[in-house]
Amino acid sequence: AQSVTQLGSHVSVSEGALVLLRCNYSSSVPPYLFWYVQYPNQGLQLLLKYTSAATLVKGINGFEAEFKKSETSFHLTKPSAHMSDAAECLCAVCLGAGSYQLTFGKGTKLSVIP
Amino acid sequence: EAGVVQSPRYKIIEKKQPVAFWCNPISGHNTLYWYLQNLGQGPELLIRYENEEAVDDSQLPKDRFSAERLKGVDSTLKIQPAELGDSAVYLCASSVTGRRNTEAFFGQGTRLTVV
Repeated sequence: AQSVTQLGSHVSVSEGALVLLRCNYSSSVPPYLFWYVQYPNQGLQLLLKYTSAATLVKGINGFEAEFKKSETSFHLTKPSAHMSDAAECLCAVCLGAGSYQLTFGKGTKLSVIP
Repeated sequence: EAGVVQSPRYKIIEKKQPVAFWCNPISGHNTLYWYLQNLGQGPELLIRYENEEAVDDSQLPKDRFSAERLKGVDSTLKIQPAELGDSAVYLCASSVTGRRNTEAFFGQGTRLTVV
């Protein structure tokens, strides 16, 4: 079984400030991990994914995440927030290659303050 | 290339009425998923198809929910009768079967309101 915990249902940052969204996972086998973003009136879009290669993963729009096995974490970061980053961000886990079931966290709403 | 297309985008129905959602996956994607997303929650898998076969429907409430994927392309999710608690966003996604590191692509969802 797997699960995902996202700390903070709502995170507000100032434009230009560091973005840090926290995600911790639980998995009985080496996991694949994903961050999805959901902009208003749009579908879920993949930001980045970890699939057992490099532990530091770079995604679209300047986002990146680091897989830390010892901390069972996959936190999402961006050095400098932009107004267009405001969205719902969802962390998800699946049980690695051959597994197709994504288990999502509850999501974190990212707000960017001008 | 078109993404995953869902219709309708919004639906308002009275309780006890039937409702159906339609999904057209990305061309060539064998795997199709239906997810349910309640307000303030992450999506939860309802059913997964590989081609026309439902390979995981363990989370689908079969007393009122049904789904089909005839010919292994488009899919329909039905609720009959709808209850107030079914108000949520229903998401469809598709991916390529059997590829490592596969990514699921999501549609915009159908927002259902049961009154």
